[in-house]
Amino acid sequence: GNSVTQMEGPVTLSEEAFLTINCTYTATGYPSLFWYVQYPGEGLQLLLKATKADDKGSNKGFEATYRKETTSFHLEKGSVQVSDSAVYFCALTRGRDDKIIFGKGTRLHILP
Amino acid sequence: EPEVTQTPSHQVTQMGQEVILRCVPISNHLYFYWYRQILGQKVEFLVSFYNNEISEKSEIFDDQFSVERPDGSNFTLKIRSTKLEDSAMYFCASRRDRQETQYFGPGTRLLVL
Repeated sequence: GNSVTQMEGPVTLSEEAFLTINCTYTATGYPSLFWYVQYPGEGLQLLLKATKADDKGSNKGFEATYRKETTSFHLEKGSVQVSDSAVYFCALTRGRDDKIIFGKGTRLHILP
Repeated sequence: EPEVTQTPSHQVTQMGQEVILRCVPISNHLYFYWYRQILGQKVEFLVSFYNNEISEKSEIFDDQFSVERPDGSNFTLKIRSTKLEDSAMYFCASRRDRQETQYFGPGTRLLVL
């Protein structure tokens, strides 16, 4: 079936460090890929998305590239801030399926 | 910017009681969803709703659950007889059409005692 696997957390980094959160997926066809972010006490917010192979999604300094050959959609940011502390979810939707399939989430802590 | 709203933000109930969670989707959206997130676990799809009927439901969405769009603005999730394992954060989402992103509400945290 369709699934998303992302790296286990928590991930703890110092401010201004480089961030990578790995995400791989299993899906038939051509899924759309997403990163959602959940700040403490808040709901899910779409961070970025990519709908076809080699697309790069970007927002707020975060980037992720849809790699069909490696079935990956790793999240990166060049210089993290304390305000980036949150839980990050990799997700997909497939074809005509409406539902979003989420990974387990990766908690990120940024230390000042 | 339009947003999805949910009420209440928190609800505590006794096992076996009925609860209704309310959502107001973005006004021109046509597709509606409920998801849940048990504490510390991943977000799981419950049900999708379009044109006044369920489009898809997961195995979690058993006979104890129902959804309704009683008027032009609200979208509700009812749990008829709550169980301890229904304790979770419940998220509502909506989107305008199938090419658009789903927009999520802030969630209702349900605690069943």
